[in-house]
Amino acid sequence: DVKVTQSSRYLVKRTGEKVFLECVQDMDHENMFWYRQDPGLGLRLIYFSYDVKMKEKGDIPEGYSVSREKKERFSLILESASTNQTSMYLCASSPWDSYGYTFGSGTRLTVV
Amino acid sequence: GQQVMQIPQYQHVQEGEDFTTYCNSSTTLSNIQWYKQRPGGHPVFLIQLVKSGEVKKQKRLTFQFGEAKKNSSLHITATQTTDVGTYFCAGPTGGGSNYKLTFGKGTLLTVNP
Repeated sequence: DVKVTQSSRYLVKRTGEKVFLECVQDMDHENMFWYRQDPGLGLRLIYFSYDVKMKEKGDIPEGYSVSREKKERFSLILESASTNQTSMYLCASSPWDSYGYTFGSGTRLTVV
Repeated sequence: GQQVMQIPQYQHVQEGEDFTTYCNSSTTLSNIQWYKQRPGGHPVFLIQLVKSGEVKKQKRLTFQFGEAKKNSSLHITATQTTDVGTYFCAGPTGGGSNYKLTFGKGTLLTVNP
C-alpha cells in the first residue's frame, strides 16, 4: 500500500516562528500536494508539485512556501506563523494522472 | 475558476435508511473521484468514474457519473454505523491539468443506531 507519512500529528508553535511540515511518500508518485482543512471550508489546496524542484501555487498560497528537493519528500514552510494558520494540514500524493490521491494522517497545527 | 458543489452539507439518517449525496461541477469533468473521511481521520480514495453515464458499485455504495459529465452521485443502501463520515467528490481543475483536483466541501453523514 502507498504510504504518505507526515512528520508530526500535533504541533504547537508561537506567532512569528518559522514552521516546517514534512511529508514523505514511498510509492514513487510524481505529484504531491499540501492542503489545509478547516470546518465549513473543506479542503483547500495550498501548493502542489508535479516533479522534483517544480511547484505551483494552489488556491491559498499566501504565507506559505514549499520545497521538493527529492521525489519522495515535500515540505511546507510557514515563513512567519500567524494565528489564522491554525488548521489541519494534509499532505497527499498521486501518480502523474492523479488516479486516486493518498493522504497522510494530517498535522494539526496550533499557532498561539 | 472551476467549482465543485456538493449537497447536502449534512445528512443524518437512522441505521438502515438510504443516503445520497450529489456533486455538481460548473464545467465538464474528464473524471470524478470520491473520497471518504472518517471522524478524526484523513480522506481515503474510494473510486474514480471516467465515462459519461458510468455506474459503479462497491457493496452497498453506488456511484454514478452524469451523461454530461458535470454531475455525480453517491448512494448508500441500508446505511450502517460504519458509514459515518464525510464524503467528498473531486474533479480535475481545468486548463488541461489532470493532476490537480478541486474538492467539494463534502457531505457529513451521521447514522443513528
